[in-house]
Amino acid sequence: QLQLQESGPGLVRPSETLSLTCTVSGDSISSNNYYWGWIRQPPGKGLEWIGLIFYSGSSVFSGLTFYNPSLESRVAISLDTSTNQFSLRLSSATAADTAVYYCARGTGQAVPAAIGHNWFDPWGQGTQVTVSS
Amino acid sequence: EIVLTQSPGTLSLSPGDGATLSCRASQSVTSNYLAWYQQKPGQAPRLLIYGASSRATGSPDRFSGSGSGADFTLTISRLEPEDFAVYYCQQYVSSPYTFGQGTKLEIK
Repeated sequence: QLQLQESGPGLVRPSETLSLTCTVSGDSISSNNYYWGWIRQPPGKGLEWIGLIFYSGSSVFSGLTFYNPSLESRVAISLDTSTNQFSLRLSSATAADTAVYYCARGTGQAVPAAIGHNWFDPWGQGTQVTVSS
Repeated sequence: EIVLTQSPGTLSLSPGDGATLSCRASQSVTSNYLAWYQQKPGQAPRLLIYGASSRATGSPDRFSGSGSGADFTLTISRLEPEDFAVYYCQQYVSSPYTFGQGTKLEIK
């Protein structure tokens, strides 16, 4: 059974970089044609998609990333097949970045060199990140 | 960006009742690229429906999705106590993927 688990600092200072890791267990992150993503949820609010990274061992497009335009200038997602993990970095953090951060697998239709069409399943349990001095 | 508007914001019902939750998109959601999630307090969202009407593995058959174009519905046929939660719709037609603001299903 595929499981995802977020980890990282629970407190980040304003203007610093928020960094989180998602560890995947129960299957290899190298499984073909999946996207791996991050979603966040500010306190008492709804869900916001942050971004996706595509992996396919047989595709030249492996490692392509897709970001929410509202965050694109500050966000980077990377993937490490040797550790079965993928990561999120969000620079220049502000109080508005305070949220529960979830990692999830994007499942659906992969499209070469494009974001594809993906719902999210399964999700990690989430990790609370607070941006405060 | 496709904006999803869910209604009602809060729905108060009793166990055994049927529930109808709405998700309306600001433009057509082609190929029914719409999913529904359930979220309970302190938990991650859980996939219920994808492709507007396909039940996810483990999703009880009292949950059903319908709709096309810009109007979608999640129906719960007979509410169980564990169904009281917040429900979100998500479109995955195009970037940025977006979620509705949620419908809270509470016990009357």
